[in-house]
Amino acid sequence: QEKVQQSPESLIVPEGAMSSLNCTFSNSASQSIWWYQQHPGKGPEALISIFSNGNKKEGRLTVYLNRASLHVSLHIRDSQPSDSAVYLCAVSPISSNTNKVVFGTGTRLQVLP
Amino acid sequence: EAAVTQSPRSKVAVTGGKVTLSCHQTNNHDYMYWYRQDTGHGLRLIHYSYVADSTEKGDIPDGYKASRPSQENFSLILELASLSQTAVYFCASSPGQGAEQFFGPGTRLTVL
Repeated sequence: QEKVQQSPESLIVPEGAMSSLNCTFSNSASQSIWWYQQHPGKGPEALISIFSNGNKKEGRLTVYLNRASLHVSLHIRDSQPSDSAVYLCAVSPISSNTNKVVFGTGTRLQVLP
Repeated sequence: EAAVTQSPRSKVAVTGGKVTLSCHQTNNHDYMYWYRQDTGHGLRLIHYSYVADSTEKGDIPDGYKASRPSQENFSLILELASLSQTAVYFCASSPGQGAEQFFGPGTRLTVL
């Protein structure tokens, strides 16, 4: 079964700084990797996904995927207090007949004004 | 308008009682999921479904049943609620394998 680990558990950064979140997974053949943002009392919302090795940029977000090292990272440039939330890494294993996504336990990001 | 809705939003149940959590989606998605979220465990998959009238076990199905009577509706049933099932439960829908999941607002279940 796919294992997904996130680090750090908690991250505090000042407003305007870069926030860097990490995620490791156990199966290099995993199909897709998503990052979700979850504010208190709300359901998770998808932020960005990546399928191929390399990086992908969307606005202030950049995600890097290295399948050889089973590692994906999310970087938030110019972090804002509104970015304060829990960030979840989600990995979809390769399978012909399931769509079981495995989530990490999350990184709690706090951006101080 | 919210595409995935859950009811109730909050529920207090007694140990040994039956609890039904409901989920409705207007996304026209084939895939639906039930997760529970506990501090320190993240989101864990309980049951999921690809098509109406069919459900599949997730990673932690023990003590839970699921029902998918239509594409839009997916229920989670706790026949004999236990203290350990106190958690926040999320329903989600998705258009396909590896695709984005759209989550509901969650149901906070407390079993006393």
